[in-house]
Amino acid sequence: DQQVKQNSPSLSVQEGRISILNCDYTNSMFDYFLWYKKYPAEGPTFLISISSIKDKNEDGRFTVFLNKSAKHLSLHIVPSQPGDSAVYFCAAKRNSGGSNYKLTFGKGTLLTVNP
Amino acid sequence: DAGVIQSPRHEVTEMGQEVTLRCKPISGHDYLFWYRQTMMRGLELLIYFNNNVPIDDSGMPEDRFSAKMPNASFSTLKIQPSEPRDSAVYFCASSFAHYGYTFGSGTRLTVV
Repeated sequence: DQQVKQNSPSLSVQEGRISILNCDYTNSMFDYFLWYKKYPAEGPTFLISISSIKDKNEDGRFTVFLNKSAKHLSLHIVPSQPGDSAVYFCAAKRNSGGSNYKLTFGKGTLLTVNP
Repeated sequence: DAGVIQSPRHEVTEMGQEVTLRCKPISGHDYLFWYRQTMMRGLELLIYFNNNVPIDDSGMPEDRFSAKMPNASFSTLKIQPSEPRDSAVYFCASSFAHYGYTFGSGTRLTVV
């Protein structure tokens, strides 16, 4: 039972254009969402996060949007650069209601940015 | 800060053998997580510890899998006996309270 779904296994974009990676979740108790980036032979690294009290969070070229009613979030990268080519994982957790710090991850989306 | 250190980086073993994966978390972090990455299932949480105590092991696939954390600076994940379907990349991550995880570089396990 996948509680966090990334339905696009891969995405290819041209350098300089926008990359949009999508993520859906089914567990309405999730209230904190994160994106991780993973290069080959390395562990995932934290990229950006958003709390359920917000609908947008921006950090440089990276923006995460959250639509709670649709249980959907997206990561926008503008402009995309070849160094952004990596696997991107969407993750979610429940921050409230006690100590539950475990993250539930999606399967990941492989982003390829072509020069 | 050396980050989360996992060993070995690669492990190739024969079916039926015992495999032990090791993890050294970041000093001061009080949570430690073991994840497994496969193409089919993505990143799955196997087990996590808080202050060296196992909190949730519901993701451990079978009794063949066991994990220990004897002290704050060391954890092991053991598979005995190993099977080809255990082939995956195993990640260890640590965190302080509810802050973000720091992952190790992973151990790529191949069981032949």
